[in-house]
Amino acid sequence: DAGVIQSPRHEVTEMGQEVTLRCKPISGHNSLFWYRQTMMRGLELLIYFNNNVPIDDSGMPEDRFSAKMPNASFSTLKIQPSEPRDSAVYFCASSLLTSGELFFGEGSRLTVL
Amino acid sequence: DAKTTQPTSMDCAEGRAANLPCNHSTISGNEYVYWYRQIHSQGPQYIIHGLKNNETNEMASLIITEDRKSSTLILPHATLRDTAVYYCIVSGGSQGNLIFGKGTKLSVKP
Repeated sequence: DAGVIQSPRHEVTEMGQEVTLRCKPISGHNSLFWYRQTMMRGLELLIYFNNNVPIDDSGMPEDRFSAKMPNASFSTLKIQPSEPRDSAVYFCASSLLTSGELFFGEGSRLTVL
Repeated sequence: DAKTTQPTSMDCAEGRAANLPCNHSTISGNEYVYWYRQIHSQGPQYIIHGLKNNETNEMASLIITEDRKSSTLILPHATLRDTAVYYCIVSGGSQGNLIFGKGTKLSVKP
């Protein structure tokens, strides 16, 4: 299995631009998680889905952030408009619904200038 | 979810056992103890988890005290590649919405 696949691996953009991060979970997994990591705040859970349905988005910073999971094999995290404080590494992870064993992708490093 | 307390950093000599402690005094009966690690610039990696009994797998052993208020992750023969931040997480039931703390930065030295 290829593992959790995230794209892009690196993105540099200017303040105000729209950013879309993509994630392909491990086939057969039915839970998907988006985390954000910064030096100041560590790893933060933004949102998670079970069976493509958003369960808890209380970690999403504000309305500029949105996440979708249109099918079991694809999810997006969108930031519009982006701000410099959104600079971070964004990780996607997937798991089986009944398992606490999360499989993380390599992350998407976002820099907003 | 219950909170955990871990030392900020630890050193270990290569080839020796690394024992990483974690306190979780407010853990409730249905909460599991999970351990993950994050090697620099990579995504976190699952190591092991347990509820009450001690657990062992190919990576590590997990020792949970009888009152479940603390646990220890043991890497039996640490190598340089085990240098990482180790996270102890307590989470309830079957849902894997894990909340990561600051973790322990383990440095394995030659």
